[in-house]
Amino acid sequence: EVQLVQSGAEMKKPGEPLKISCEGSGYSFSSYWIGWVRQLPGKGLECMGIIYPGDSDTRYNPSFQGQVTISVDRSINTAYLQWTSLKASDTATYYCARGGTSHWGDYWGQGTLVIVSS
Amino acid sequence: EIVLTQSPGTLSLSLGERATLSCRASQSVYSNYLAWYQQKPGQAPRLLINGASSRATGIPDRFSGSGSGTDFTLTINRLEPEDFAVYYCQQYGTSPLTFGGGTKVEIK
Repeated sequence: EVQLVQSGAEMKKPGEPLKISCEGSGYSFSSYWIGWVRQLPGKGLECMGIIYPGDSDTRYNPSFQGQVTISVDRSINTAYLQWTSLKASDTATYYCARGGTSHWGDYWGQGTLVIVSS
Repeated sequence: EIVLTQSPGTLSLSLGERATLSCRASQSVYSNYLAWYQQKPGQAPRLLINGASSRATGIPDRFSGSGSGTDFTLTINRLEPEDFAVYYCQQYGTSPLTFGGGTKVEIK
C-alpha cells in the first residue's frame, strides 16, 4: 500500500528553524517526484516546489525560492521541507504529494500544521 | 508561470443537480496535464481527474473532466451529499506547478 506519512504538528516562535518530513512507503520512492504544497488558514493550495529523489533534481516555485529548502534522503525514503528562520506568515498546513511524468497527486500525506507565534 | 483561474468562486446547487466547474489557463497546458482535486475541511486533497479527462482510481463516474489547451471543465452529475466541498484544478505540465484558486460547491 502506497503511503506518504508526514511528521507531526509544530508550534514554533518567529525566527526559529524548522524541518518537517514526508516518508514514502509501498512504492519505489526514487522513481516519483515529491511536491510540497502550502495551504494558509482558510485559503487555497500553493505548490512550493518539487524534488525528484532519484537525482535530487529540485524545482522551486519562484514565490518560495530562497524562503525554504527542499531536500531528500533516499536511504530512508524521506523528503524534507525546511526553514532557517520562521515568520508568523509561515503559519499553514503543509502537504506532500507524489507525482509522476504524466500524472500528479495520486497520493498525499496527511498534512503537517505549522503554527508560528510569539 | 501558468496562472489558473477557476470560476465560479462558489456554486450553490441542490442534491441531484449537475455542477459545471471551469478552469482557464493563462497559456496552453502542456499535454493537457491538468488535474482536478476535491478537498473537504480538515482533509488532504483527493485526486479526481488526471490528464484533463482520466478518472483516478475509485472515483465515481458521475465525475468527468474535459477540455484541452487553455480551457478545462469538471462536471459532477447528480450531486450527492458527499460532493459538497472545494474543488481545485492544477497544471503539472510546466514548472512551476500551479493550482487554481478553487471553487466551493455548497448546498443551496
